[in-house]
Amino acid sequence: KAGVTQTPRYLIKTRGQQVTLSCSPISGHRSVSWYQQTPGQGLQFLFEYFSETQRNKGNFPGRFSGRQFSNSRSEMNVSTLELGDSALYLCASSLEARSSPLHFGNGTRLTVT
Amino acid sequence: TQLLEQSPQFLSIQEGENLTVYCNSSSVFSSLQWYRQEPGEGPVLLVTVVTGGEVKKLKRLTFQFGDARKDSSLHITAAQPGDTGLYLCAGSLDSNYQLIWGAGTKLIIKP
Repeated sequence: KAGVTQTPRYLIKTRGQQVTLSCSPISGHRSVSWYQQTPGQGLQFLFEYFSETQRNKGNFPGRFSGRQFSNSRSEMNVSTLELGDSALYLCASSLEARSSPLHFGNGTRLTVT
Repeated sequence: TQLLEQSPQFLSIQEGENLTVYCNSSSVFSSLQWYRQEPGEGPVLLVTVVTGGEVKKLKRLTFQFGDARKDSSLHITAAQPGDTGLYLCAGSLDSNYQLIWGAGTKLIIKP
């Protein structure tokens, strides 16, 4: 069974630009969550989608948005990039149950210059 | 605000030593998960504990869920360099689908 796939693996952008990250979940998984990971802040929850609907949202500004498609694939978008957005962005998929374990991709390393 | 505090934040020990990592909260969790993350990769689930007082073993790793389901510990016996990584705990609340994450324990095992 293929794991969670995130593309691209690395990305370098300039302040003010926007970026779109992609996540393909494990087949059969309907929930996709996004996290931002930085050395100082640890793992911060961005949002979670289930069956194309945003079910939970973390405390991030509106510049961070996401969506989920009918095939469960998900994208997240960050507009007007800031230096502080430099981080590892992780996507995780799971079955629909609340306590289902998360299966993470290897992340997209975003550097904003 | 629900918090999950992990300690220690950083631990560097010699191969063969034992260690314990703690995950504590004032909230009651319906379940708690432990993950290990290696550099350049996403976290990988090690174990899920559900019942208060539950103990699970994974080779040299022993996980315990507190009786009141507010805390958990991870004990590693005879640590090996392959145990090096970031250990994360995450608790699930009954009230919503969002996991509460600890800040992680960075573990380095020196040969």
